[in-house]
Amino acid sequence: SQKIEQNSEALNIQEGKTATLTCNYTNYSPAYLQWYRQDPGRGPVFLLLIRENEKEKRKERLKVTFDTTLKQSLFHITASQPADSATYLCASLYGGYQKVTFGIGTKLQVIP
Amino acid sequence: DGGITQSPKYLFRKEGQNVTLSCEQNLNHDAMYWYRQDPGQGLRLIYYSQIVNDFQKGDIAEGYSVSREKKESFPLTVTSAQKNPTAFYLCASSPGDRTSYEQYFGPGTRLTVT
Repeated sequence: SQKIEQNSEALNIQEGKTATLTCNYTNYSPAYLQWYRQDPGRGPVFLLLIRENEKEKRKERLKVTFDTTLKQSLFHITASQPADSATYLCASLYGGYQKVTFGIGTKLQVIP
Repeated sequence: DGGITQSPKYLFRKEGQNVTLSCEQNLNHDAMYWYRQDPGQGLRLIYYSQIVNDFQKGDIAEGYSVSREKKESFPLTVTSAQKNPTAFYLCASSPGDRTSYEQYFGPGTRLTVT
């Protein structure tokens, strides 16, 4: 079955540095990958979607890449700020794009 | 103010009781979803609905039921048959028109069953 894997260990980085989070997928080839941000006790918030034919996508300080050879998506936050501290979820569409499967999420802590 | 609302934010029930979680959206979205989130696990899909009066089982539908009588509303009932009902429940909606796939989530309901 489709599987999305994210490093469940927390990532701690210094303010101003670039944070890079990894999402790997196995047993299938998603046409789309999504990234969400989730704060404690709240629902996830959609950030970016990238299609398999797009190598890279940017939105302000965010950048997502999609490498179909490595079966991997990288999520970058440049010039990170303490307000970026949250859990970031990777997700992919399946079931005729009607359903979404989520990774466990990676908790990012930006240290001032 | 558009969005998805879930109520209540916290819910406590005794074992053996059914409980219904509310989810309402005013985004005019066709598709709606219910997920549960447990510590150390990703979101898991319970039920989803692409259109009024139609819904499909997700990956963990056992012990749950839903209805979709109105476009705006997708309530979830956690029945006494659900073995581990204590969890954080999230409702989401999506335009469902295949041009936009992002999901918009509500604030969640934390259910505790003792």
